[in-house]
This record gives sequence, structure tokens and C-alpha cells, in this order.
Amino acid sequence: GAGVSQSPSNKVTEKGKDVELRCDPISGHTALYWYRQSLGQGLEFLIYFQGNSAPDKSGLPSDRFSAERTGGSVSTLTIQRTQQEDSAVYLCASSYRGAKNIQYFGAGTRLSVL
Amino acid sequence: DAKTTQPNSMESNEEEPVHLPCNHSTISGTDYIHWYRQLPSQGPEYVIHGLTSNVNNRMASLAIAEDRKSSTLILHRATLRDAAVYYCIQGYGGSQGNLIFGKGTKLSVKP
Repeated sequence: GAGVSQSPSNKVTEKGKDVELRCDPISGHTALYWYRQSLGQGLEFLIYFQGNSAPDKSGLPSDRFSAERTGGSVSTLTIQRTQQEDSAVYLCASSYRGAKNIQYFGAGTRLSVL
Repeated sequence: DAKTTQPNSMESNEEEPVHLPCNHSTISGTDYIHWYRQLPSQGPEYVIHGLTSNVNNRMASLAIAEDRKSSTLILHRATLRDAAVYYCIQGYGGSQGNLIFGKGTKLSVKP
């Protein structure tokens, strides 16, 4: 069956531009996670959705980062006024029926900010 | 911060067993031990998890020490496709169920 799909797979942008990263989770998975993987910081958690709700946004690195999920399915991570330190691979994962279950990851979006 | 300690790297020969160790000395009674792996240019992939007893699945076995302060992921016959970074994860980051990844062990498999 279809896994977690992320688009685009690669994104190159100029400093100061806004970007949107998309995640399409496995059908029926109610929990959705965003992580970021960079050389300096390893793999870090950004935000969690249960359905369309994100109960805690404290993992987002700054107020330039926002995320939403609609229809309990697709999620979008938006980075405004991108900076070079935002360059990383952004990974999305989903799991069945909520938190604390096996997470299935997408291949990620590699973001490069020039 | 990650609560587990793993060797930075390990090498194995193809078709031989591999034992990947992990220390989790601060583990609580309700923390599961999870293993994920990340192949080059891919997202992490679930391997196995357990609480107290040893666990087996089609990918690997997980041997958990009696005091639960350490565990070992066992790949019974390494293949070239098993070359990846293996992450041992203790419990969850919080009620949201997020995983806290450390640096993992980079496994190289020689033909």
C-alpha cells in the first residue's frame, strides 16, 4: 500500500522567501509528526497532530515556522522568511490511532536555503 | 536529549550475524525500547520494539537485559541492504509520542 508521501522531494530557495512543505500520511493514520534532520542537530521533533489539532507547538524552532493539517489528512509545514540555518531534511511520519504507536516516515523534503 | 548510548559505528561481513548494543541506564518501568533504522537518503524505518521480554520479528531480534538497562538488536544474517544508521530510542519524548533520536550506530556491511 501507499506509504507516507512528501513533496517536493527537494526545494532550493533564496534567503527571505517563504516555503511550503507537504505531507500526505498513510490513509487512516490519525497521528502525524514533523521532524527535522540537520547535520548539526541530528533528528529533532517539531510538531505533532492528532487529527487536525496540534496540542503543543513548542517544538517549532521559531515563530517563522507554522504547520496545519486539514481533513485529518494532509499537513503543510510553512517556513516564512527562510534563513540559511533552516537548511535541512524535513521528515514527516504518521501512525495509526494516535500517539505512541509505530511511526512510518516519508522520504523527506531536502530544503536548501541559499 | 537522547537517553541512550550507542557506538558511533560498527562493521559486519555479509551473511554474518550482527549485534548492535544500546545502553539505556535511566529507563523507567513503562518505557519501551524502540529501534529504527535509516537507510541512505530515506526516512527512518521501524525495526522492532520491546518492554521486558526478548522480541523477534521478520527483520530482527531484540534482546533486553534483565535489569532493562541495556539491549541488543540482532540481525541474524546481515545483507548489503542492512547498511544503515540504527537508532535505539528509550520511551517517548512526552504524551505526544514523539521519538527522541540520538546519533545512532552507523552499520557498514562488507561483501
